[in-house]
Amino acid sequence: DAKTTQPPSMDCAEGRAANLPCNHSTISGNEYVYWYRQIHSQGPQYIIHGLKNNETNEMASLIITEDRKSSTLILPHATLRDTAVYYCIVRVGNRDDKIIFGKGTRLHILP
Amino acid sequence: SQTIHQWPATLVQPVGSPLSLECTVEGTSNPNLYWYRQAAGRGLQLLFYSVGIGQISSEVPQNLSASRPQDRQFILSSKKLLLSDSGFYLCAWSGGARGNYGYTFGSGTRLTVV
Repeated sequence: DAKTTQPPSMDCAEGRAANLPCNHSTISGNEYVYWYRQIHSQGPQYIIHGLKNNETNEMASLIITEDRKSSTLILPHATLRDTAVYYCIVRVGNRDDKIIFGKGTRLHILP
Repeated sequence: SQTIHQWPATLVQPVGSPLSLECTVEGTSNPNLYWYRQAAGRGLQLLFYSVGIGQISSEVPQNLSASRPQDRQFILSSKKLLLSDSGFYLCAWSGGARGNYGYTFGSGTRLTVV
């Protein structure tokens, strides 16, 4: 997997948009960007993934730069329940491609 | 729908005792299966993965072993636990159309070796 760089921690006020950055400057053309989050004492939860285009689902939006060297996960209206460690991962996304987790970003939602 | 079951949720075992953690997946066939461990305050470490029955790959040398006796069953074992085996153990599976091989994780087993 290509390496990713994320800030170790971030704060966001409740109700505001949380924007979590990720750098993946060595990403290959066939690698997807995946985001997972891990709430304390739970298993990681898939959030969203994308290849080139921006993506949106019921949980979040993923903005990928045109050169694909960085991306931003956006939680549009953060709540206290969004407090978690967020992992940005790049991988080919085929059946046998393993996920290697980095240290992620610890997001604190402030009341 | 697909579900993943992992048990037990918590476990306290003495040093030197054996270990068996079980993970089963329902609603899919021929999944890839994974065991991860998270030590206290640390990141997720991939321990084993399996692409089919009887096929196990180990990522790191350790005191643990894994087996896949059935398509949707993945077992993590140890003959003699060490204090350093304490941690949060997570099973995961993946499968699906190309480009959407996201992982689904179980709820985890918190193991304390005393």
